[in-house]
Amino acid sequence: LAKTTQPISMDSYEGQEVNITCSHNNIATNDYITWYQQFPSQGPRFIIQGYKTKVTNEVASLFIPADRKSSTLSLPRVSLSDTAVYYCLVVGGYQKVTFGTGTKLQVIP
Amino acid sequence: GAGVSQSPSNKVTEKGKDVELRCDPISGHTALYWYRQSLGQGLEFLIYFQGNSAPDKSGLPSDRFSAERTGGSVSTLTIQRTQQEDSAVYLCASTRYRDREVEQYFGPGTRLTVT
Repeated sequence: LAKTTQPISMDSYEGQEVNITCSHNNIATNDYITWYQQFPSQGPRFIIQGYKTKVTNEVASLFIPADRKSSTLSLPRVSLSDTAVYYCLVVGGYQKVTFGTGTKLQVIP
Repeated sequence: GAGVSQSPSNKVTEKGKDVELRCDPISGHTALYWYRQSLGQGLEFLIYFQGNSAPDKSGLPSDRFSAERTGGSVSTLTIQRTQQEDSAVYLCASTRYRDREVEQYFGPGTRLTVT
């Protein structure tokens, strides 16, 4: 049973806000929700992590509803350099960390 | 340095040869993961270490693959008798735990090509 489900791909124009939603119906009490970004020919890079409600940093915002069964990564005013694959993970404590297939975001000029 | 380093960055080898990939994690990080990624695909979990122990080796594709970690630091992934399907980018992730939070810091990867 997949731990997370997210869209395979998304397109967006430059300057728009992009929201990528991830479903994690079986999230456990100890799990945190983490998002990574991967550019071609590079390893993934940690973007943001949260447990509940809203988390914001200089890169993105993460919205988590009260039931925690989904989360939304929000990228404000994307640019061409935001074209990447975005991975949603749920993991907590000392569990094994595994990645799904991610969402390939293509930003269009 | 402060980041994760991997060596070599690129490795081209002939089918049937053995290769050894190295990962130098961030000092103080207790866990270390190995993944591999084929072109256009997601990350495939191989093995992870807590300290020098490997609680989960379930991702190793075959008994030709082995890994070790010494001194809670450097890790090596060894592939014996390489096959063409082993060609991929091998990524190492230095992993930090803070209470229940987990953060991974990836190295640049080793691109392995088996000819």
